[in-house]
Amino acid sequence: DAKTTQPPSMDCAEGRAANLPCNHSTISGNEYVYWYRQIHSQGPQYIIHGLKNNETNEMASLIITEDRKSSTLILPHATLRDTAVYYCIVRVYNTDKLIFGTGTRLQVFP
Amino acid sequence: EAGVAQSPRYKIIEKRQSVAFWCNPISGHATLYWYQQILGQGPKLLIQFQNNGVVDDSQLPKDRFSAERLKGVDSTLKIQPAKLEDSAVYLCASSFGLGIADTQYFGPGTRLTVL
Repeated sequence: DAKTTQPPSMDCAEGRAANLPCNHSTISGNEYVYWYRQIHSQGPQYIIHGLKNNETNEMASLIITEDRKSSTLILPHATLRDTAVYYCIVRVYNTDKLIFGTGTRLQVFP
Repeated sequence: EAGVAQSPRYKIIEKRQSVAFWCNPISGHATLYWYQQILGQGPKLLIQFQNNGVVDDSQLPKDRFSAERLKGVDSTLKIQPAKLEDSAVYLCASSFGLGIADTQYFGPGTRLTVL
């Protein structure tokens, strides 16, 4: 079973920041948090991952709380093309295994 | 850089028929995964290969599903015979296989409809 909890859906206005929350209260100290997204009719696309520290890349920022029990994915300036299902995944320790939940459906509106 | 290639993109068959899907991973990627994604759900891992060996097939329904990766590159996933509940998108992913911080890259998937 997935070790994460996400809201089923969220809306965001185009140009505004989209903040997608994720709870992972049972995460172990050496398990990574990964974010993927899936645009309609496409395969999942890697966004970002982190262990303890906050991370940023050209797509997004990942903020992980100090106790590591939750995280937030931030899309700083959402566009219509960011409309997708976003999956927060805790990677099983010492394996390559990704266990997907049902994700958050983000709808960006004009 | 070319991504993960899958074919066909769509397939419609009747129950009890057989079907096969093909995947070509990103060049140099040692690890290959097959996932099943049922409508409204996240992808579920069916099988993982490291080169041409199976690492994990615990979720593969072995009475009807089989997969191979004979030369450690391309892979095929077969269903024989298909059931109605096999209707899903079958996703292939690959990674370098370097360890816990490795990233999986997904193909576009094959949408299977079983009538």
